[in-house]
This record gives sequence, C-alpha cells and structure tokens, in this order.
Amino acid sequence: DIVMTQTPSSQAVSAGEKVTMSCKSSQSLLYSENKKNYLAWYQQKPGQSPKLLISWASTRESGVPDRFIGSGSGTDFTLTISSVQAEDLAVYYCEQYYDTPPTFGSGTKLEIK
Amino acid sequence: AVQLVESGGGLVQPKESLKISCAASGFTFSNAAMYWVRQAPGKGLEWVARIRTKPNNYATYYADSVKGRFTISRDDSKSMVYLQMDNLKTEDTAMYYCTAPEVRNPAFAYWGQGTLVTVSS
Repeated sequence: DIVMTQTPSSQAVSAGEKVTMSCKSSQSLLYSENKKNYLAWYQQKPGQSPKLLISWASTRESGVPDRFIGSGSGTDFTLTISSVQAEDLAVYYCEQYYDTPPTFGSGTKLEIK
Repeated sequence: AVQLVESGGGLVQPKESLKISCAASGFTFSNAAMYWVRQAPGKGLEWVARIRTKPNNYATYYADSVKGRFTISRDDSKSMVYLQMDNLKTEDTAMYYCTAPEVRNPAFAYWGQGTLVTVSS
C-alpha cells in the first residue's frame, strides 16, 4: 500500500497568516499517460464529514475559496492557505487515489490562535 | 444536489453482525463506483470497501483489516449501497461514511453524514 505522510501533525496560526502543510507519498502519484497527480486534499471541520477541497493535486473544487492552493508533483505535495480565516479551523487530510487501496495521511490539525 | 444518507449504525457486541445502508440521490447512481470510509473516534480516515458498476461486474475490493468479514453490495434499482459487517471487533468501532466520486475523477467528492458503529461488550 502507498503510505502517505503528513507534516506537521498540528499547527497554530493567527488569522490572516499564511500556512503550509506537507504531504509525502511512498511512491510517485504522477501517472505518466495523462501527466496527472492522483492526490486530493480534504478538510474536516469539527463534527462534520470530510469535504473535498482539491483534486489532481492542484485543482480546486467548485466553491472552494482561492486562498486554498494545492501544489507539488510526484511524491511531494503542499497545501497552502494564503490568508487563514477563523472558519478554516479543521483537520486537513491528503489522499492518494493512484492505486487501490486509496490511502490517507494522518492529518494536519489547524488551530487558530 | 447530491445526497448520501447513511443509516443502520448502533451498538453491538463483539462477534455480532450489523448491516449499514446508504441512500443516494442527485446523480446517476448506476454509473458510480461507491465506497465506504471509516473514522475511529479521534482518529484519521480509513478506506474500507469499494464496489464498481454493472459494466465492471460489480467488482468489490476491501481493506485488509476487514477482508473476509465485511461485504459491500448495491441495489441500483433503489440507489442504495450496503455494508454487511460480520464478526465485528472492538477495533471496528468508528463513524462509517458512504462516499462517491465524480465522473472521471476518483477523488471522494461526495460524503454522507456518517453512521456510528460501536462494538463493545
């Protein structure tokens, strides 16, 4: 199985600050035939179901604010929130869907100071 | 709008069985692979099972942790997906989410609210 490693496990920032979180996979998620990275980011707010933010490593879902930016390729990926808002308090998970079984990282918990 | 509504969770004892359900609406259910993902209390997300569509012979896939104990099935006529869980263990205690991808994008675009399964004596 592909192992997904997320760092840091938690991070506390003030509103308006920029935050970055990392996700590394144990093998490349770049499919050579279509040049797409099979990597998604999810946001899970307290007491809620996960919500898909970004797929294909960098494509925001409809309605997701443009302060959420996904980047990276191959085995190294980053989720950046350019200016954190109070409502961004959540745990963020990355997931690879390159291979079965799909696997998730352990999450980065974002706390607002 | 797409809706996934899980039901059937509850408290069961170890080694007992439970069947949970997911009612889907708002999309062409018969064209979509369906999944179950679970989350133990205070823990991360774990993929549990997948069922493909009729053209793909309703092929099923399972996490190693549940293989041989859980069975995923679907009823396209009712837009329902099920998870039969047998020989339950305390470590199966979790919120179980029904999830589905969008067309041509395997990421989990749609999630239900979850149904809680508690395995305890």
